[in-house]
Amino acid sequence: QVQLQESGPGLVKPSQTLSLTCTVSGDSINSDDYYWSWIRQPAGKGLEWIGHIYNSGSTNYNPSLKSRVTISIDRSKKQFSLKLTSVTAADTAVFYCAREVIAVAGPAFDYFDYWGQGTLVTVSS
Amino acid sequence: SYVLTQPPSLSVAPGKTARITCGGNNIETKSVHWYQQKPGQAPVLVIYYDYDRPSGIPERFSGSNSGNTATLTIGRVEAGDEADYFCQVSDSGSDHYVFGTGTKVTVL
Repeated sequence: QVQLQESGPGLVKPSQTLSLTCTVSGDSINSDDYYWSWIRQPAGKGLEWIGHIYNSGSTNYNPSLKSRVTISIDRSKKQFSLKLTSVTAADTAVFYCAREVIAVAGPAFDYFDYWGQGTLVTVSS
Repeated sequence: SYVLTQPPSLSVAPGKTARITCGGNNIETKSVHWYQQKPGQAPVLVIYYDYDRPSGIPERFSGSNSGNTATLTIGRVEAGDEADYFCQVSDSGSDHYVFGTGTKVTVL
């Protein structure tokens, strides 16, 4: 059973950088069958895909966040990480890491089959 | 970017059928996935590729996709089905992803 666990500070000051890490149990982080994604959810609101990374280090980001986001991977530690710069109160949310299944038919068909429990990050001074 | 519209809420009596819609322009050309999210928990995949069920998801959950509307159907609704439900597709055929606005299902 795959498990994902987010970790990182729960409080970040405005204008600073939010940093989170997701630890993946098992060996699937080395598999060619998955991307590794970050998704966020402000309180009482919907889900927003932030971006993903492949085991090679190749990344893709949501255009609305691209200028502020960096996702990296450390396969030896079975971890991938998120950095979001210049945060404001609008970035306050529960952040999830998730495993994205790469569809044979192409990325337009991908879905998220395993999720971490989520971690709340509050942006406040 | 591609917009997915869901009704904010839906109420259904136990034992009845709930139909949750996800509207999008020509959505039938996309592959739609559905997630169930209970309060304080992470989303759980309940339908992928329009109508496939992951292992462990009851047969009561089914999906369809036609025209401008995809539908998640929950048959013989139980109290444990009370949750928020989100649809998801790729944005304009790319490897960017969007989620629907979410539907809160209340079991009466």
